[in-house]
Amino acid sequence: SQQGEEDPQALSIQEGENATMNCSYKTSINNLQWYRQNSGRGLVHLILIRSNEREKHSGRLRVTLDTSKKSSSLLITASRAADTASYFCATDSGNTGKLIFGQGTTLQVKP
Amino acid sequence: DAGVIQSPRHEVTEMGQEVTLRCKPISGHNSLFWYRQTMMRGLELLIYFNNNVPIDDSGMPEDRFSAKMPNASFSTLKIQPSEPRDSAVYFCASTLRSGWSNEQFFGPGTRLTVL
Repeated sequence: SQQGEEDPQALSIQEGENATMNCSYKTSINNLQWYRQNSGRGLVHLILIRSNEREKHSGRLRVTLDTSKKSSSLLITASRAADTASYFCATDSGNTGKLIFGQGTTLQVKP
Repeated sequence: DAGVIQSPRHEVTEMGQEVTLRCKPISGHNSLFWYRQTMMRGLELLIYFNNNVPIDDSGMPEDRFSAKMPNASFSTLKIQPSEPRDSAVYFCASTLRSGWSNEQFFGPGTRLTVL
């Protein structure tokens, strides 16, 4: 079963705007990761946030984690047309290395 | 490193035929994962290996699916016999399990079409 649930399922914005995607999960986690998938490609790791962290930045990406609400958000600032892709959250709940992926948010950035 | 390598990139076959998908993980990684992605079901974990040993195959849909990892640098996913509903993109991913991070590296995928 899917642990992570993302919303919205689809998001369309203009270049330069910010994009926010949310992820909710059900069980306790060790870390939460965000991945990006361009059309026809494999997933690419973007950022990892550990359960004892609340916020993390990487370039134009900002991730927050609220373990009390079992939720995370990914903010992409000053979006570009090249950010058009699907974004997935994935949770790590054990010591096996196994990740549970959400259904993803499809982001379209219009030039 | 060339990253995770999958072959073939595209496979078109007829119902009933055997299909074998191949994966070469990143050198030094000790875990390997097989996923299937469709529009209807999203990304599904089929099976994963730690140190070449299958750990969890609960995602394998039927006995028609089997996976092996004979050594640390090679894995196969076999479907026999194939059916149209097996049409999907199959991804292989690998990671180096550690106490801090288990970021997964995905291959480019194999797009399978079963007619």
